[in-house]
Amino acid sequence: DAGVIQSPRHEVTEMGQEVTLRCKPISGHNSLFWYRQTMMRGLELLIYFNNNVPIDDSGMPEDRFSAKMPNASFSTLKIQPSEPRDSAVYFCASLYRGTDTQYFGPGTRLTVL
Amino acid sequence: QQQVKQSPQSLIVQKGGISIINCAYENTAFDYFPWYQQFPGKGPALLIAIRPDVSEKKEGRFTISFNKSAKQFSLHIMDSQPGDSATYFCAASWEGVSGNTGKLIFGQGTTLQVKP
Repeated sequence: DAGVIQSPRHEVTEMGQEVTLRCKPISGHNSLFWYRQTMMRGLELLIYFNNNVPIDDSGMPEDRFSAKMPNASFSTLKIQPSEPRDSAVYFCASLYRGTDTQYFGPGTRLTVL
Repeated sequence: QQQVKQSPQSLIVQKGGISIINCAYENTAFDYFPWYQQFPGKGPALLIAIRPDVSEKKEGRFTISFNKSAKQFSLHIMDSQPGDSATYFCAASWEGVSGNTGKLIFGQGTTLQVKP
């Protein structure tokens, strides 16, 4: 199994630019989670989907952040416009509902200059 | 009430020693308590987990102790090894109307260094 796949692994952009992070969950998993990790705030859940439907987006910091899951094998997290305070590592995780274990991807390190 | 408080922030242990990390929570609806291990440059990975119907769970050198009345749980790493050097996160989640929500609330993390 390839595990959760995220791309890109590193992204450096300038303030004001649009950033799109991508995630491919483990095949057969039907829940998907987006997290953000910073030194100050630790690991924060941004949004999660069940069966491609957004269930809870209360962790999304601002309207500049949006997430989609057009099908069971792909999700995007978009930041538009990006700001320096968005610099963080963004993780995607997936889970098979009825089980407890979330499997995390390797993360995308985002730097906004 | 949704917070999980973790301590210490960092820990240095000699090889062969016992590492202990503690977490506390307020929300009595939490019913699943996992510990995740994260190495630099990697995503967190599940290490061990417990539900409140038992007070202890052991897997190899790793043990979770759970105190429901005190709303505390801890991770013990016996015979700590340099390869255990990583960041450890406790977490908690709760049951929704259709099963475990999967929504994890993480502690702040503990950076463990095991000296040879």
